[in-house]
Amino acid sequence: AQSVTQLGSHVSVSEGALVLLRCNYSSSVPPYLFWYVQYPNQGLQLLLKYTTGATLVKGINGFEAEFKKSETSFHLTKPSAHMSDAAEYFCAVSEFDGYNKLIFGAGTRLAVHP
Amino acid sequence: DTAVSQTPKYLVTQMGNDKSIKCEQNLGHDTMYWYKQDSKKFLKIMFSYNNKELIINETVPNRFSPKSPDKAHLNLHINSLELGDSAVYFCASSPGQKAGDTGELFFGEGSRLTVL
Repeated sequence: AQSVTQLGSHVSVSEGALVLLRCNYSSSVPPYLFWYVQYPNQGLQLLLKYTTGATLVKGINGFEAEFKKSETSFHLTKPSAHMSDAAEYFCAVSEFDGYNKLIFGAGTRLAVHP
Repeated sequence: DTAVSQTPKYLVTQMGNDKSIKCEQNLGHDTMYWYKQDSKKFLKIMFSYNNKELIINETVPNRFSPKSPDKAHLNLHINSLELGDSAVYFCASSPGQKAGDTGELFFGEGSRLTVL
């Protein structure tokens, strides 16, 4: 079974600083990879996804992620943090075993301070 | 016009009671899911239905019974509620269950269940 590891359950950055949220996955085949964001008391919203093609993927709100097969990583970055980016971020990998299902990492809470 | 909607959003009840959560999607998707998010924010899949057929059942106590009357609806009924059932339950949908589909999920806003 596939698994997803998010390094750092809490990340704190200053407004305007670089955001880096780490995600590593275990998969024996090229996976489909996702980042979701969850704002307080809301559902999960897709930030971006990697399926095939270009390994640098751009998403909403200025976020991007790079698929690195050699490192089995899919880290999420944003050049300049905004206060509104404070949320919980989830990395996920799609597992196909007859049926598709998403396996989620444990999440990283991003705090942005002035 | 909400794509995936769940009701109720909040549910507070006593141990031993039975409760239901309803979910509807208007995206025309074939597949629907229930995920459980615990107090540490960990998300775990519980069930999935594809065109009203149960396709994923992830070692969930049989007190939990999903029902899909049609492919746009997936309800979750929980019998004999326990303290450990307190969580946020998310409904989600995806376009299909064929190899090559990415598995991308579209989530509802969640139903927070508190068992006292």
